[in-house]
Amino acid sequence: EAGVTQFPSHSVIEKGQTVTLRCDPISGHDNLYWYRRVMGKEIKFLLHFVKESKQDESGMPNNRFLAERTGGTYSTLKVQPAELEDSGVYFCASSLGRVEQFFGPGTRLTVL
Amino acid sequence: AQSVTQLDSQVPVFEEAPVELRCNYSSSVSVYLFWYVQYPNQGLQLLLKYLSGSTLVKGINGFEAEFNKSQTSFHLRKPSVHISDTAEYFCAVSDRGTSYDKVIFGPGTSLSVIP
Repeated sequence: EAGVTQFPSHSVIEKGQTVTLRCDPISGHDNLYWYRRVMGKEIKFLLHFVKESKQDESGMPNNRFLAERTGGTYSTLKVQPAELEDSGVYFCASSLGRVEQFFGPGTRLTVL
Repeated sequence: AQSVTQLDSQVPVFEEAPVELRCNYSSSVSVYLFWYVQYPNQGLQLLLKYLSGSTLVKGINGFEAEFNKSQTSFHLRKPSVHISDTAEYFCAVSDRGTSYDKVIFGPGTSLSVIP
């Protein structure tokens, strides 16, 4: 069974540009989560999808971040425009039930 | 609000020695508890979890953790570490109520196993 995949693995962009991160959950997992770890800080929850609906987006830092989940399958997280403080590792996770989440390898975003 | 404290940011230990990584949490509600591991250049992997029942939980790769409700702790232990255990370890909680989808992570402990 394939795990959670994320693309790209690394992204380097300049301040003000737009970046889109993609997450493909484990097949059949209705729950999809985004987290991020900013340098030196804890891994923080961003939002949670159940199928295509946003269940909880309380962790989204501001309106420069937009998450979508088309048809309840893969999800994208767009940052527009990117700022220096957005640099970090963005993790995606999925789950079938509501307890154990399976994490992807993360996307390392560097904003210059 | 929930929070997780990992008292040691870095733990060096010699190969084949025992190790304990400490974790304390604060929460006003009952919680689920987790330990995740991140090996170099890899994603987060679940080591073990406490949902209910026995307070001693065994996980993968010979790790175990004990839930202590009175001390609000969930320390991770391994009796004999290997070089391959070098990684970053994260303690995490989620509550059993309506928002238990949200996992709250500690800051992480970097374990370095010395040959």
